[in-house]
Amino acid sequence: DGGITQSPKYLFRKEGQNVTLSCEQNLNHDAMYWYRQDPGQGLRLIYYSQIVNDFQKGDIAEGYSVSREKKESFPLTVTSAQKNPTAFYLCASSRDRTDTEAFFGQGTRLTVV
Amino acid sequence: GENVEQHPSTLSVQEGDSAVIKCTYSDSASNYFPWYKQELGKGPQLIIDIRSNVGEKKDQRIAVTLNKTAKHFSLHITETQPEDSAVYFCAASSTGANSKLTFGKGITLSVRP
Repeated sequence: DGGITQSPKYLFRKEGQNVTLSCEQNLNHDAMYWYRQDPGQGLRLIYYSQIVNDFQKGDIAEGYSVSREKKESFPLTVTSAQKNPTAFYLCASSRDRTDTEAFFGQGTRLTVV
Repeated sequence: GENVEQHPSTLSVQEGDSAVIKCTYSDSASNYFPWYKQELGKGPQLIIDIRSNVGEKKDQRIAVTLNKTAKHFSLHITETQPEDSAVYFCAASSTGANSKLTFGKGITLSVRP
């Protein structure tokens, strides 16, 4: 089945540690996105990539980094510079442009203690 | 940049009644307006979308209307069922290089049996 997979579903890290969230898609989509979801805040865009080896900062990129070395993969690293990293992180992909359907993964809930 | 607002933030209806969720957007260049449904612990899923060259679109019990002049669009759910209970997000996007999909903060719909 085609889809977008995020792993792990739950992640715990100690404060000050970097952590990488995985996102893989087998939909042959060019565009991929990372969103952060907090209660009452909706979905806020962290980073997005419209093609391999290229990515752009979203609205809340500070403290995060990404790479897009393969079309299928768009990992997100939450660095120690992110002041409030505990959140629900959603990865999505779309065929090409943003005016096409975005398919979301199941999300990763990151808790930093 | 684009700003999308949703009203109200919560909505409770009796099973069988209709529900209407409204969104406004700020960027007149936006021309794609999707609606996503998010069930607890899952990623959002597209339920319907509309483009700026269309004023209304229907899919069974769900419809979306768009008023470009007033810059608002609405989701209409008729004959609501308990399984319609979820968080609903509206979003807006333009086309072109580096266009982004901007989400509203979401509304929690509760359908009382």
